[in-house]
Amino acid sequence: NAGVTQTPKFQVLKTGQSMTLQCAQDMNHNSMYWYRQDPGMGLRLIYYSASEGTTDKGEVPNGYNVSRLNKREFSLRLESAAPSQTSVYFCASSEAQLAGVGEQYFGPGTRLTVT
Amino acid sequence: QKEVEQNSGPLSVPEGAIASLNCTYSDRGSQSFFWYRQYSGKSPELIMSIYSNGDKEDGRFTAQLNKASQYVSLLIRDSQPSDSATYLCAVRPGGYNKLIFGAGTRLAVHP
Repeated sequence: NAGVTQTPKFQVLKTGQSMTLQCAQDMNHNSMYWYRQDPGMGLRLIYYSASEGTTDKGEVPNGYNVSRLNKREFSLRLESAAPSQTSVYFCASSEAQLAGVGEQYFGPGTRLTVT
Repeated sequence: QKEVEQNSGPLSVPEGAIASLNCTYSDRGSQSFFWYRQYSGKSPELIMSIYSNGDKEDGRFTAQLNKASQYVSLLIRDSQPSDSATYLCAVRPGGYNKLIFGAGTRLAVHP
């Protein structure tokens, strides 16, 4: 099993460009999450999908959109990139809701730089 | 805004000592508490979970929870240089399918 995979691993964008970060998991998990991590800020939740067909905003959703394409895949889109979106982006998944939410498995991350 | 607070460190301990990492949270309705370890340049990995007041031990790791005081801690006994990493405290607010993470405490174990 590959676990949680993310593409691309690195990306450089110019201000105003758009891109989609891809995430897939092969653990048959119900819930999936997108985080960003900035120095000294820990992990901040952008969006999450508690189950296939649902998505909810996290702490920092502005400037992002998501799509839960199916149970395996959860993508994050930046419509018009800004330098403030320079960060490391992590996708994660968990098997269950509520009590099981905390046992999350993370992908390797995408390092995004917006110039 | 629900918050999880950690001392950013670095916390420096000698090899073989006990490292004590602390975390406080603001939401009294929080039900579940977790510690993740993150090596530099890597993704976080779950090392401990705790759901009820008291201590929970797993090998060299002990998680402690005090809901009345709204704090959770992680003790690492017989610290090793390989324990050098950032430790993230995470809390599940009551009724939510998500986690709130603290900013993390950087631990440095020196030989």
